[in-house]
Amino acid sequence: QSALTQPASVSGSPGQSITISCTGTSSDVGGYNYVSWYQQHPGKAPKLMIYEVSSRPSGVSNRFSGSKSGNTASLTISGLQADDEADYYCSSYTSSSTRVFGTGTTVTVL
Amino acid sequence: QLQLQESGPGLVKPSETLSLTCTVSGGSISSSSYYWGWIRQPPGKGLEWIGSIYYSGSTYYNPSLKSRVTISVDTSKNQFSVKLSSVTAADTAVYYCARETWNYVSGNWFDPWGQGTLVTVSS
Repeated sequence: QSALTQPASVSGSPGQSITISCTGTSSDVGGYNYVSWYQQHPGKAPKLMIYEVSSRPSGVSNRFSGSKSGNTASLTISGLQADDEADYYCSSYTSSSTRVFGTGTTVTVL
Repeated sequence: QLQLQESGPGLVKPSETLSLTCTVSGGSISSSSYYWGWIRQPPGKGLEWIGSIYYSGSTYYNPSLKSRVTISVDTSKNQFSVKLSSVTAADTAVYYCARETWNYVSGNWFDPWGQGTLVTVSS
């Protein structure tokens, strides 16, 4: 199975909004509302930020939001803060009952 | 609070079998609606799903690793394990275990994660 496609890097200034895309196929992202997003700081384990395309776990800032259109899911970070600088990965369930992660995006706060 | 902890050798020789165990504390591995997953991350690279197991023993594997991977569960010890055979340098990675919530309404997600353990394949 192929990894979901994400941009290698996205950057923004403090206070700005950025959006990270996650493109798959009709067999994964497009076929189910089963997309999740993870934040990973260097040397740390990934942290769940979004599940079921747009739901936020308790404790995650409402500056993080998710959406989906067709085969592409998106994570938007509004009011960008220095601590948002990290790697972000999307993940989806697939029609083969497997799971697949995205290629990962490095977010830089300018 | 549920916690997961990976354990196992940090160095494995090429062609041998990598074996890791994840110990779950603060909750039962036999809880319904949860799978238990293994994910790895080669140094400087992205996340790769290895496979997931239900407490009953039902498993799903990454097709690219399926021929070499076995995931098992020991409910009496509240642990699940992964074995990866015929390893090469390409299997060098940080290996994470995680609880996977799964249902047909909301889908699946991994939370929480263990801290990860680095396994190096080298002679």
